[in-house]
Amino acid sequence: KNEVEQSPQNLTAQEGEFITINCSYSVGISALHWLQQHPGGGIVSLFMLSSGKKKHGRLIATINIQEKHSSLHITASHPRDSAVYICAVLNAGGTSYGKLTFGQGTILTVHP
Amino acid sequence: ETGVTQTPRHLVMGMTNKKSLKCEQHLGHNAMYWYKQSAKKPLELMFVYSLEERVENNSVPSRFSPECPNSSHLFLHLHTLQPEDSALYLCASSQGLGHYGYTFGSGTRLTVV
Repeated sequence: KNEVEQSPQNLTAQEGEFITINCSYSVGISALHWLQQHPGGGIVSLFMLSSGKKKHGRLIATINIQEKHSSLHITASHPRDSAVYICAVLNAGGTSYGKLTFGQGTILTVHP
Repeated sequence: ETGVTQTPRHLVMGMTNKKSLKCEQHLGHNAMYWYKQSAKKPLELMFVYSLEERVENNSVPSRFSPECPNSSHLFLHLHTLQPEDSALYLCASSQGLGHYGYTFGSGTRLTVV
């Protein structure tokens, strides 16, 4: 079992729909990243969370440390939101060398 | 442009070739990373440099050799690679180890023939 599990693996939506991507992890963490990867490979960091909730435009990320769970929400989805969304956790404790452990990614396709 | 620049964007090399991947950041970050992304697998950490010192080698074969000559530049030297080494190689940087300003480059798509 992976330390970081994302669901769903694939998500198809119609433009305008509200989207939720979930991430569960099994290790103690000091922070969690949500990343966006477009075709062609480049990765953009959307959020880094250690508690609570963050919002940027149409994107909202929440984290529940006790439940070891985070969600990424996209409101009023648009075809340009089509990408792979990756959850990554920064392991806590010990000699943490900035090591991120990644989920397998969620492939989001938004149709017009 | 994210602030982390990787060159080349695409590379095709034979198994007997020697090539190098380059990563450059001018964000003032003091930690740099190499990641590998193979098809249908999660990103895997390869190497971590903090203040130009290698602090982690994540069981990477010796045919991959990193070099960090200064805090702004990171190289990955490649020699006698195998076809299974074909992947997207991503560089990232951060201020401190993993917490602040974690920024990825666009990656180098490597094909070994």
